[in-house]
Amino acid sequence: AQTVTQSQPEMSVQEAETVTLSCTYDTSENNYYLFWYKQPPSRQMILVIRQEAYKQQNATENRFSVNFQKAAKSFSLKISDSQLGDTAMYFCADNFNSGGSNYKLTFGKGTLLTVNP
Amino acid sequence: DGGITQSPKYLFRKEGQNVTLSCEQNLNHDAMYWYRQDPGQGLRLIYYSQIVNDFQKGDIAEGYSVSREKKESFPLTVTSAQKNPTAFYLCASSIDGRVTEAFFGQGTRLTVV
Repeated sequence: AQTVTQSQPEMSVQEAETVTLSCTYDTSENNYYLFWYKQPPSRQMILVIRQEAYKQQNATENRFSVNFQKAAKSFSLKISDSQLGDTAMYFCADNFNSGGSNYKLTFGKGTLLTVNP
Repeated sequence: DGGITQSPKYLFRKEGQNVTLSCEQNLNHDAMYWYRQDPGQGLRLIYYSQIVNDFQKGDIAEGYSVSREKKESFPLTVTSAQKNPTAFYLCASSIDGRVTEAFFGQGTRLTVV
C-alpha cells in the first residue's frame, strides 16, 4: 500500500525561530506531486506548498520551504521566522496513482505544531 | 466568489438514521473527494469522483454512499451500516483527476447519538 508517514505527532517552537516537519512517502511512480496542508483551529484546510517530483529545485513560498529528497522519498517542511498564526495541524500528502487514470490524494496523520510566544 | 461549500457545519442524527452531507463547488472542477477526519488518523478517503456519473471507493467506503449526477455536486450519505459515523467530514475538489492541487470545503461535524 502506498503510504505517507509523519513521524512527529507534535512539535513546538518559539516565535521567530525555525522548525522542520518531517514526511516520508512510498510510491513507485516517477512523476507525482507532494503537498503540505495546514489546518488551523478553524479546521479549514489550506495549501501551504506544493512540489512537483520531476522538478529538482525545492519549492519555496515566503517563509515556507521544502527539502525534497526524491531518492530517499523524503519531503520535509521548513518554517522560518515562526509566527503565532502558524500554530496548526500540518499534513503531508501525495497524489498516488491508484490505477489507470485514477489518482488519490493520500495524507499522513499530521503534526500538531504549536508556536510559543 | 468561487469555492467549495459544505453544509451544514454541524449535524446531529439519531443512531440508525441515514444522513446526507452536502458538497457543492462552483470552480468547474471535474474531480471531487470525500474525506473523514478522526483525531490522530489524518484524513482518510471515503469516495472520489473524477467525472460526472462515475465514482470510485476510497480506503474506507463501507457504510457510505455517494452520487455524482451533476458536476458541481457530490453528496455523501452516511448510512446506518456505518458503525462509527461520528466524525469530521471534509469535501474537496480538483481541476481534474490528476490532483495537482485540491481545494477543501469548511467541513461538516457529524454527531450521531
